[in-house]
Amino acid sequence: KAGVTQTPRYLIKTRGQQVTLSCSPISGHRSVSWYQQTPGQGLQFLFEYFSETQRNKGNFPGRFSGRQFSNSRSEMNVSTLELGDSALYLCASSFTWQGARGEQYFGPGTRLTVT
Amino acid sequence: AQTVTQSQPEMSVQEAETVTLSCTYDTSESDYYLFWYKQPPSRQMILVIRQEAYKQQNATENRFSVNFQKAAKSFSLKISDSQLGDAAMYFCAYTMDSNYQLIWGAGTKLIIKP
Repeated sequence: KAGVTQTPRYLIKTRGQQVTLSCSPISGHRSVSWYQQTPGQGLQFLFEYFSETQRNKGNFPGRFSGRQFSNSRSEMNVSTLELGDSALYLCASSFTWQGARGEQYFGPGTRLTVT
Repeated sequence: AQTVTQSQPEMSVQEAETVTLSCTYDTSESDYYLFWYKQPPSRQMILVIRQEAYKQQNATENRFSVNFQKAAKSFSLKISDSQLGDAAMYFCAYTMDSNYQLIWGAGTKLIIKP
């Protein structure tokens, strides 16, 4: 089975721009969760999508949004980028929702740099 | 607030020896799940071991085992017969039955000396 894929792997954007990151889960998995990893704040949960619906959301401003498509692929969007949004963005897939309870499979991450 | 504390920013161990990574957490919940994840230099996060709080028996996965002390809110990871491939950042994390958001510790960098 193919693992979780994330595109692009690296991205450089300018403050004020917006960005869209993509995550394709393992085939058959319907839950996708997103995490932000920074040296200062560590790993933080962004949101979880299951069956095209956002089921859970972390404590991030509204500039961070996401969606999930009928094939379970998910996109995350950050608008009006700030320097502090520079991070590694990880997505994880699982078969059931509330994926954090069980076994989540992570992608390699997208490294976003905001200049 | 729910928190996870990993008090050892870095640990080193000789190849083939045993090392224990510490983790404590703070929660008022009774039902929750605890995890150890490994993040090698490739950055791909990998689940090492999972423990359900209602289970008293400590989880084990091959060379990896945990010492779960619910009353003390402690969840340490023991790696036996350390191998070079074990070198990575190790993150302790937990999620509650009422929330299902993973709360992460700051991580411990494990160095394996050949």
